[in-house]
Amino acid sequence: RKEVEQDPGPFNVPEGATVAFNCTYSNSASQSFFWYRQDCRKEPKLLMSVYSSGNEDGRFTAQLNRASQYISLLIRDSKLSDSATYLCVVWRDGGYNKLIFGAGTRLAVHP
Amino acid sequence: EAEVAQSPRYKITEKSQAVAFWCDPISGHATLYWYRQILGQGPELLVQFQDESVVDDSQLPKDRFSAERLKGVDSTLKIQPAELGDSAMYLCASSLRYGLAPSTDTQYFGPGTRLTVL
Repeated sequence: RKEVEQDPGPFNVPEGATVAFNCTYSNSASQSFFWYRQDCRKEPKLLMSVYSSGNEDGRFTAQLNRASQYISLLIRDSKLSDSATYLCVVWRDGGYNKLIFGAGTRLAVHP
Repeated sequence: EAEVAQSPRYKITEKSQAVAFWCDPISGHATLYWYRQILGQGPELLVQFQDESVVDDSQLPKDRFSAERLKGVDSTLKIQPAELGDSAMYLCASSLRYGLAPSTDTQYFGPGTRLTVL
């Protein structure tokens, strides 16, 4: 079982739709959580951090449930420019501290 | 905006040949990372440097891969000999300093080197 698992997608949605991505992690020592965005054949870029209280950045809302070891990303009012792969990322604490990436969920927003 | 530089952007080689990738981190960033991203997967850390010292190379296939950051600035990742399974995107990232809280020590990625082994 992978340490970070995501819905594989792809998600094909029309402009204006609301779409939600789910992610689960298996290492309870994980302390920090992030969503990265990766455009086709480009490098990953930090989209937002995820906090236990939930956090919002414009049309994007991230939620964390530590008890269930579950992370989510909600995108409202999807734009064509949101088309990308969304990577769920966990900071593994203890021993070698490092970022563990999920395989990503691909989103395609169409007119 | 400062960026992580990588070269070459693309590399095609035959198996058993040697290849090398170069990375120049954002100025002032003490920590440098090399990741490998196979198509359809997320990036996987190969090696992490703090200044010129290796912090973590537990996932680096040391029989064929080597990495160095001699002066604690730019870095080179080498594969010798290359195998078909090494075809992937090799990403370099940098951050301010190892040991900072991850929420304040964002990793910035370079554009990557796409390696194809024939």
